[in-house]
Amino acid sequence: KQEVTQIPAALSVPEGENLVLNCSFTDSAIYNLQWFRQDPGKGLTSLLLIQSSQREQTSGRLNASLDKSSGRSTLYIAASQPGDSATYLCAVTSPGNMLTFGGGTRLMVKP
Amino acid sequence: EAQVTQNPRYLITVTGKKLTVTCSQNMNHEYMSWYRQDPGLGLRQIYYSMNVEVTDKGDVPEGYKVSRKEKRNFPLILESPSPNQTSLYFCASSPLDRGHYNEQFFGPGTRLTVL
Repeated sequence: KQEVTQIPAALSVPEGENLVLNCSFTDSAIYNLQWFRQDPGKGLTSLLLIQSSQREQTSGRLNASLDKSSGRSTLYIAASQPGDSATYLCAVTSPGNMLTFGGGTRLMVKP
Repeated sequence: EAQVTQNPRYLITVTGKKLTVTCSQNMNHEYMSWYRQDPGLGLRQIYYSMNVEVTDKGDVPEGYKVSRKEKRNFPLILESPSPNQTSLYFCASSPLDRGHYNEQFFGPGTRLTVL
């Protein structure tokens, strides 16, 4: 059974720092990996989707990488801002179209 | 505006009283899915549907039913709710690409409390 782990569980940084969030998964047979953002009490907003054949995707200040063979993905946030404060979730799609989420990283960016 | 809508957004009910949470998407997506989110357990998939009249169980289907009679709608039915179904529920949809779903779009969530 696929298991997805996100480290760290919580992170607090000063505004302007570059930061990296980590996601690891146990079964490398995935179709894609998606990073989401969730604000407290709200729904999930899709940030980036990486297909299994891709190595990375970029959107603005966000860059996500995927190393399928080692079961790892990272989300890089450049020049962090207070508005980036949220919980970040990664999710992998496995055979059978099962979507498995990590536990999330709660990010606080301090002004 | 492309979106996934859920109703109601908040619901407080009592044990055993049947309820339905509706989900609708206007993006003509084939794939739709229901999740529940609980503190310490994260997001878990309840049921999903690859297309009209095609549904399948996720990780935690017990106590739930779904139907997919139209492409745009995917209601979640709790025939006899129990307190352990108190949770935050999300519906999501996605287009299919060669049989696999791609970017998932989530609804705003339904916070359900069962007393």
